[in-house]
Amino acid sequence: QVQLQQSGPGLVKPSQTLSLTCAISGDSVSSNSAAWNWIRQSPSRGLEWLGRTYYRSKWYNEYAASVKSRITINPDTSKNQFSLQLNSVTPEDTAVYYCARTKGFLDLWGRGTPVTVSS
Amino acid sequence: QSVLTQPPSASGTPGQRVTISCSGSRSNTGSNTANWYQQLPGTAPKLLIYDNNQRPSGVPDRFSGSKSGTSASLAISGLQSEDEADYYCASWDGSLNGWVFGGGTKLTVL
Repeated sequence: QVQLQQSGPGLVKPSQTLSLTCAISGDSVSSNSAAWNWIRQSPSRGLEWLGRTYYRSKWYNEYAASVKSRITINPDTSKNQFSLQLNSVTPEDTAVYYCARTKGFLDLWGRGTPVTVSS
Repeated sequence: QSVLTQPPSASGTPGQRVTISCSGSRSNTGSNTANWYQQLPGTAPKLLIYDNNQRPSGVPDRFSGSKSGTSASLAISGLQSEDEADYYCASWDGSLNGWVFGGGTKLTVL
């Protein structure tokens, strides 16, 4: 049974970096048929796809235009996980952050990490 | 403002059939499949329908999906109290090169 286990702080100060990790069990971050995504949800912005990483003979990263200048998603093959870094956060980045797998469609989601940006 | 358009609310009585619509454009639902998710309070979205009309194992056949042109629909027949949840549609957008979502429909079972 595939599971995604999220970890990371729930409170980040404005202008700092939000960092979250998603540990994968039952599948591989290096799978040639999956992609590994970060998505957030807030009352003001709804569900918002942030980006993904995937391996197809080499690593690819794709990011949403809204966060492209501030985001990095990295795979960690040694720990079978992937991470999200969002720089220069503001209160507008307050949301529940989800990691999710795609195999043609978003089929599996982590449980979510509520993140508040506040001083 | 979400890329895909859903009605904010829907309701029905137990046993009834309700339908939720999802309107997109040529770059998303018009050229890619639609997927539907159910979200109960405090939980992550759960896949309900994929590839327009396919149900993952474990999803009751009371849930069905369809797509025509740039619009998709989710139908729930034999409505039950446990169906009360938020429902979201999603599709890949080839122009934005990313996943896009509807704003969600809150289903109330009266």
